[in-house]
Amino acid sequence: KQEVTQIPAALSVPEGENLVLNCSFTDSAIYNLQWFRQDPGKGLTSLLLIQSSQREQTSGRLNASLDKSSGRSTLYIAASQPGDSATYLCAVTYNNNDMRFGAGTRLTVKP
Amino acid sequence: KAGVTQTPRYLIKTRGQQVTLSCSPISGHRSVSWYQQTPGQGLQFLFEYFSETQRNKGNFPGRFSGRQFSNSRSEMNVSTLELGDSALYLCASSLVPSGAETQYFGPGTRLLVL
Repeated sequence: KQEVTQIPAALSVPEGENLVLNCSFTDSAIYNLQWFRQDPGKGLTSLLLIQSSQREQTSGRLNASLDKSSGRSTLYIAASQPGDSATYLCAVTYNNNDMRFGAGTRLTVKP
Repeated sequence: KAGVTQTPRYLIKTRGQQVTLSCSPISGHRSVSWYQQTPGQGLQFLFEYFSETQRNKGNFPGRFSGRQFSNSRSEMNVSTLELGDSALYLCASSLVPSGAETQYFGPGTRLLVL
């Protein structure tokens, strides 16, 4: 079964800290992996899209890496801010076009 | 440029009824994808349309269907509603099929089935 797991489920850090969110997937035959952000009661915002041929993507303070062989991706957030507080979701699209989401990591950045 | 819009934003239905949700993509975007989000199952992919053709479908029963019009607007329909269909339904659009391109999400339609 093609599953996506995110650890930790929740994370609380003080402002300014660098942090890492983890995503693991069970099948290495992936087409791409995406990281999203969801604010309470709202839709998703796409943060980073990594194609299967890529190892990482960067956008501002965010950096996402992909290691297909180990079935892992990490989202690194530098110098966290209270405005980063949200739920972060990882989604994997497999080569059979099946798209699976993780349950998310709820991040709280305290001022 | 206007974002993805979804109508209605909130909806209450009873079991057995059917419902149609609408999604207008960002101008110029030809791909529209639908997702269901529930507390129990999380976020799940429903289907994707590109240029009026269903390109991909998630693991949902046939009660869930969709279509896309020539102007790229999309509708999804759920027939014979069940309590478990209560969820936030999200629509996303992209220029090309979602796997190759960033998706932009609408605010969602929150459906409550009583």
